[in-house]
Amino acid sequence: DAGITQSPRHKVTETGTPVTLRCHQTENHRYMYWYRQDPGHGLRLIHYSYGVKDTDKGEVSDGYSVSRSKTEDFLLTLESATSSQTSVYFCAISELIAGGLQNSPLHFGNGTRLTVT
Amino acid sequence: TQLLEQSPQFLSIQEGENLTVYCNSSSVFSSLQWYRQEPGEGPVLLVTVVTGGEVKKLKRLTFQFGDARKDSSLHITAAQTGDTGLYLCAGRTHLKSGSARQLTFGSGTQLTVLP
Repeated sequence: DAGITQSPRHKVTETGTPVTLRCHQTENHRYMYWYRQDPGHGLRLIHYSYGVKDTDKGEVSDGYSVSRSKTEDFLLTLESATSSQTSVYFCAISELIAGGLQNSPLHFGNGTRLTVT
Repeated sequence: TQLLEQSPQFLSIQEGENLTVYCNSSSVFSSLQWYRQEPGEGPVLLVTVVTGGEVKKLKRLTFQFGDARKDSSLHITAAQTGDTGLYLCAGRTHLKSGSARQLTFGSGTQLTVLP
């Protein structure tokens, strides 16, 4: 398995509180991603990073911010959690391989289950 | 935003049966990947297809990319209980350089293989 650690694995928080999820990789991969997974929606991209301090928005970025100050760490912050952000959050990493980025697999962490009450 | 539709959403079959899962879109993809996910874990890549009409086989699993690169299928022969899981298709397009890095996932097919 790719060396990806997500923390915490589970968290319950109250509406309006800030929450930060951490993704740590030991693979030195350039690209890192945050997805959320909800029933009936599959995995939806929140934000991604293509290098230190280089990030961009994904499909469902509203209410989320990210930071990447080191290659190995990608942080996802919910500034003021809402019940609609209750979900399972997955971090993923990838790197360019022969054939280009289109062939690159994503390697996922085991997810963080976040409940906002 | 392109949409990847998977069907069926749920599939329950007996061990030994064959099955096919479909992934369809109105968009053209430069590549398409299939992942399998088990409870409490992240998805794991099964295969990547990049050429229209391409067929790849992994033991009892056969993956096909449509000629127009808008659809794909996963066929499992003689399903086993160990095949149980959530199967996700995911595609990349070349809308622009930034978006090419984004992988769009289908909503998944939950497969249950009964003993």
